[in-house]
Amino acid sequence: QQQVKQSPQSLIVQKGGISIINCAYENTAFDYFPWYQQFPGKGPALLIAIRPDVSEKKEGRFTISFNKSAKQFSLHIMDSQPGDSATYFCAANGGSTLGRLYFGRGTQLTVWP
Amino acid sequence: EPEVTQTPSHQVTQMGQEVILRCVPISNHLYFYWYRQILGQKVEFLVSFYNNEISEKSEIFDDQFSVERPDGSNFTLKIRSTKLEDSAMYFCASSQGGNYGYTFGSGTRLTVV
Repeated sequence: QQQVKQSPQSLIVQKGGISIINCAYENTAFDYFPWYQQFPGKGPALLIAIRPDVSEKKEGRFTISFNKSAKQFSLHIMDSQPGDSATYFCAANGGSTLGRLYFGRGTQLTVWP
Repeated sequence: EPEVTQTPSHQVTQMGQEVILRCVPISNHLYFYWYRQILGQKVEFLVSFYNNEISEKSEIFDDQFSVERPDGSNFTLKIRSTKLEDSAMYFCASSQGGNYGYTFGSGTRLTVV
């Protein structure tokens, strides 16, 4: 059973455009939703995270939108840059940040210069 | 910025051999994890470790796998008898717990031939 579903699998955006990656989850016990950015040959790095008590969180050009009733959350990258080209993973866990993270399958983002 | 250090970065081993992957978590972190990522696929949870014992393990973490914290700084993953399908990138992660997210290491690429 796939706990977290992520789409699209790949995304190509022009420099300056908006990149949008979507995730959906099943388990209503999940209460922590991070996004990770991964460059080739590197480990995932925490980009931004949200808890379900807010509907949106913004950090610089990165925004998470969260829809608790639909069990969906998305990452928006404003003014996308070539340096944003990476694989992005959404994830979720329940109860605390101590437990296992369930990852989506990842989105490979390419930003054209 | 503190980081999680993993060694070696790449290990090639013959099928049936034992391997030990090593990690040095961030010094004030209390929770430790191993994840793996088969090439091009999502990141999968293996095991979490707290207070010198396993907190949770996935169905992947069978009797061939074990973890240990042999001293105050290292955290190791041992695979007793490697199989071809164990070929993957293995990531160590650590966390302070509470409302803090994980920090991942850069990974060890394990190739079983």
